[in-house]
Amino acid sequence: EAGVTQFPSHSVIEKGQTVTLRCDPISGHDNLYWYRRVMGKEIKFLLHFVKESKQDESGMPNNRFLAERTGGTYSTLKVQPAELEDSGVYFCASSQMTGASVGYTFGSGTRLTVV
Amino acid sequence: GENVEQHPSTLSVQEGDSAVIKCTYSDSASNYFPWYKQELGKRPQLIIDIRSNVGEKKDQRIAVTLNKTAKHFSLHITETQPEDSAVYFCAAKSGGYQKVTFGTGTKLQVIP
Repeated sequence: EAGVTQFPSHSVIEKGQTVTLRCDPISGHDNLYWYRRVMGKEIKFLLHFVKESKQDESGMPNNRFLAERTGGTYSTLKVQPAELEDSGVYFCASSQMTGASVGYTFGSGTRLTVV
Repeated sequence: GENVEQHPSTLSVQEGDSAVIKCTYSDSASNYFPWYKQELGKRPQLIIDIRSNVGEKKDQRIAVTLNKTAKHFSLHITETQPEDSAVYFCAAKSGGYQKVTFGTGTKLQVIP
């Protein structure tokens, strides 16, 4: 089975520009998560979709971040306008069932650098 | 919300020695504790997990222990090999729709 796919793998943009990250979860996985890791820190939760609905978006830093999952398939995460502190690796993960004992399958991440 | 602390941040061991990474969590409702390994430039991958009804779990050279009373859990790697070098993340999750909360990671270096 195909894994979780993210693109682009790298993005370098200037402060103030817009960037859109995409995640294709494993087919059939209703749960899709976005996380971000800033250098040397934890993998920090951003938000969780169940199908097309936002189940939990408590980790979204501010209104410059917009996530969508139209049709419950792939998801996009848009940052507009980007700031320097948005730099980091953005990971997407998916899981088939919602429950306590389910591990995530991660994508390879998008390394975002804002200059 | 849940807070997971992880120590040490870096760990160097000689090949063949054991490595131990320790984590604590704050939410007593957490009942699932996965561990992820991230090799350089690759995705985090689940290597082992433990549920709160179990105190210890072993899979070949890796083992996890859980102390619910103290709210801490640990990863033990025995007979370390250079390919064990990576960043390891502990995590905790409670039931239902709760998210997985990760620790800050431990960079393990196994010296040949």
